Amino acid sequence: GAGVSQSPSNKVTEKGKDVELRCDPISGHTALYWYRQSLGQGLEFLIYFQGNSAPDKSGLPSDRFSAERTGGSVSTLTIQRTQQEDSAVYLCASSQQVGGYNEKLFFGSGTQLSVL
Amino acid sequence: AQTVTQSQPEMSVQEAETVTLSCTYDTSESDYYLFWYKQPPSRQMILVIRQEAYKQQNATENRFSVNFQKAAKSFSLKISDSQLGDAAMYFCAYRSPGTASKLTFGTGTRLQVTL
Repeated sequence: GAGVSQSPSNKVTEKGKDVELRCDPISGHTALYWYRQSLGQGLEFLIYFQGNSAPDKSGLPSDRFSAERTGGSVSTLTIQRTQQEDSAVYLCASSQQVGGYNEKLFFGSGTQLSVL
Repeated sequence: AQTVTQSQPEMSVQEAETVTLSCTYDTSESDYYLFWYKQPPSRQMILVIRQEAYKQQNATENRFSVNFQKAAKSFSLKISDSQLGDAAMYFCAYRSPGTASKLTFGTGTRLQVTL
């Protein structure tokens, strides 16, 4: 597609439910990143993929969080047993190449997750 | 670990005027990359300008320029001839070289542009 697409745009869920957030990167981009933006805060790195593998998942806050990427394209971030502190905007970004000064991230518009 | 501090939660500027947004960071690395991103209400982060630490010359992109003071660990953004479309959240970010784009962000500055 023309840009990074994320769905849903907004998600309201009840505490304890599982949620899946989807990211469709720009076609041909090998790298895919997930960031979280809590209210009034900057973005916080969660995980990144190079192809289908995740060399760095150090930002995932707990084992309730997991992510996968299939076919070198679409990625899904799954949060199990959601808690109120999981409420945030989850942003996805993709890039053509990993690393180096010239790596440029293209961001989606994010998923606003609200846990009641 | 690196930290990025933006001490101005909100700034305001009149259309056509110049405004400077502040950013300081803490690191023990000698080479690194610094970025300014803009986040409009659409939530999509847009790269405004970037700077590599070992390059002495300050980066410029049209109306946007930076004042990079490596010794002071300061990286401010100057917006000249401000336009209504510049109104947004602005985030300063840090990245170590040789790695993927695992960025460390500041908490942002909300810029208002008035007529």
